[in-house]
Amino acid sequence: GAGVSQSPRYKVAKRGQDVALRCDPISGHVSLFWYQQALGQGPEFLTYFQNEAQLDKSGLPSDRFFAERPEGSVSTLKIQRTQQEDSAVYLCASSLSLSEAFFGQGTRLTVV
Amino acid sequence: DAKTTQPPSMDCAEGRAANLPCNHSTISGNEYVYWYRQIHSQGPQYIIHGLKNNETNEMASLIITEDRKSSTLILPHATLRDTAVYYCIVRGFKTDSWGKLQFGAGTQVVVTP
Repeated sequence: GAGVSQSPRYKVAKRGQDVALRCDPISGHVSLFWYQQALGQGPEFLTYFQNEAQLDKSGLPSDRFFAERPEGSVSTLKIQRTQQEDSAVYLCASSLSLSEAFFGQGTRLTVV
Repeated sequence: DAKTTQPPSMDCAEGRAANLPCNHSTISGNEYVYWYRQIHSQGPQYIIHGLKNNETNEMASLIITEDRKSSTLILPHATLRDTAVYYCIVRGFKTDSWGKLQFGAGTQVVVTP
């Protein structure tokens, strides 16, 4: 497909479990972003990559959150030792440099 | 980046124009005004952006005041599919920070038949 693809769409994790969320950006898009959206709120910035370089990770809420994009394409957001407050929709977006961002449909994470 | 203020909700009749206001009184000269919308259970969708001049595309029009302290997004003929949360975002173009879109709470627009 031509859009940003995220997998899985839904993930249920037991508290303390590690999870990995995948994002396939639009082909050729150098910039990739991760956002967290809690229920009823707007998306909150987590981190930003330009190619494989992570230029901004100021939004990552704790050291349990880690993102990577080793080859400048697919990205993975990893959350270690999940907590209930991590329950949210995780959104990935990609863009060509300095243009509008295209968002995926998100991964809904529920920690029980 | 500058903060924005939007009304929490508004209703619009199908077929009528929807005018969505946004205040951004602290906007600086190199910051753009962006609009995104989010339909329920989907990711945000880009609508339009502008710097100083009014802009129009196939989705909407953006009217920015001369002092740039406020703007209005206009959906010319609202349809039921336009029901969504609309976000007004001010965005600078510093390379290391331009990816950080500050969404805020947005305006919940409900288009009614």
